[in-house]
Amino acid sequence: AQKVTQAQTEISVVEKEDVTLDCVYETRDTTYYLFWYKQPPSGELVFLIRRNSFDEQNEISGRYSWNFQKSTSSFNFTITASQVVDSAVYFCALKRAQGGSEKLVFGKGTKLTVNP
Amino acid sequence: GAVVSQHPSWVICKSGTSVKIECRSLDFQATTMFWYRQFPKQSLMLMATSNEGSKATYEQGVEKDKFLINHASLTLSTLTVTSAHPEDSSFYICSASRVIGGGQFGPGTRLTVL
Repeated sequence: AQKVTQAQTEISVVEKEDVTLDCVYETRDTTYYLFWYKQPPSGELVFLIRRNSFDEQNEISGRYSWNFQKSTSSFNFTITASQVVDSAVYFCALKRAQGGSEKLVFGKGTKLTVNP
Repeated sequence: GAVVSQHPSWVICKSGTSVKIECRSLDFQATTMFWYRQFPKQSLMLMATSNEGSKATYEQGVEKDKFLINHASLTLSTLTVTSAHPEDSSFYICSASRVIGGGQFGPGTRLTVL
């Protein structure tokens, strides 16, 4: 069975602080995809990143960075110099690689509040 | 880029009525569409998977007679909530999959049943 755990329910930081959102996953598949989505108050899911299981290289995109550690089944997300606009619920998700299906298993989400 | 739309974006209805939600892939053909439900302050949970031209596959615990899914074309899937009740009030999000490439999420439909 596949499972995604986001242990942090809510995080509150002050603007310009760095913040890391944790994601731990469980799967028996050898190939899979991991995702991060941002969901602002409007509700629309905003795609942030997709990572293949065979690519453990960390990725940086502006103030966002992701640390994929296959050995610990973790795919953590760090926001550097946080801004008020980063306030949202962030979801980590897992997808099987076989069959091209887009069925996603989501974590429960972490609500990030960035205070001015 | 690939775009998925949903209509309506929000709907309020009386208990006992049926509500239809549309999910459209605007610039690509979606062989598979997924319907998710998100209750307030909770995660997204997959309700069902629909493939064009065949019956939908429902996740455990989802009533197929209550949540009717039709995927009659490669660009349109509909979710009908029949005899809606207040506990069906939720945020419904669809995802459309292309044969090659990743899936796209729609903007969601907020359903409130009075």
